[in-house]
Amino acid sequence: GAVVSQHPSRVICKSGTSVKIECRSLDFQATTMFWYRQFPKKSLMLMATSNEGSKATYEQGVEKDKFLINHASLTLSTLTVTSAHPEDSSFYICSASRASGINEQFFGPGTRLTVL
Amino acid sequence: GQNIDQPTEMTATEGAIVQINCTYQTSGFNGLFWYQQHAGEAPTFLSYNVLDGLEEKGRFSSFLSRSKGYSYLLLKELQMKDSASYLCAISGGSYIPTFGRGTSLIVHP
Repeated sequence: GAVVSQHPSRVICKSGTSVKIECRSLDFQATTMFWYRQFPKKSLMLMATSNEGSKATYEQGVEKDKFLINHASLTLSTLTVTSAHPEDSSFYICSASRASGINEQFFGPGTRLTVL
Repeated sequence: GQNIDQPTEMTATEGAIVQINCTYQTSGFNGLFWYQQHAGEAPTFLSYNVLDGLEEKGRFSSFLSRSKGYSYLLLKELQMKDSASYLCAISGGSYIPTFGRGTSLIVHP
């Protein structure tokens, strides 16, 4: 149990386009979902935390208008990178938690975004 | 705020034992995670320590000392597949884990 999927696994896009990444909890309801980005050989950097039905909480320095997060249901959260630029190229990972306070996170397989 | 420190890289021999240390400073503490991450993949959960002491799970054990702000992950009978990055993460007052930069472990024959 506790499987999280992400789609797409890889995406290459042109500069200026928008890219949507989906994160789904397949066999449990995720009260909270997290979005991270990771640069090569660097740690996971938390971008935002989202709870179903409410606005995401963004970490300091993360542009909420650039990285749109929607958590419409207990099994789906989406991250949209708007007007992507080459510096947005990164590994984006989502994770889901079954309940707030019990914080084992289940990670998705990640999405490799390359912006040309 | 939170600060997590772990070695950048370690090497070890197949079949040996390796200990990966993690030290931290935090204003609030709920628990400490260890995750394993292979290159290009998402992290996978290894352990979660809340109380002081050693918790053993197969070939992997994790130790925590809250008073010292210190944890270690112990890997026994190393296998080549254990070559990966090992991430220490602190769950603080907000319950949202903060990750260290990870320790890249290279296991050689």
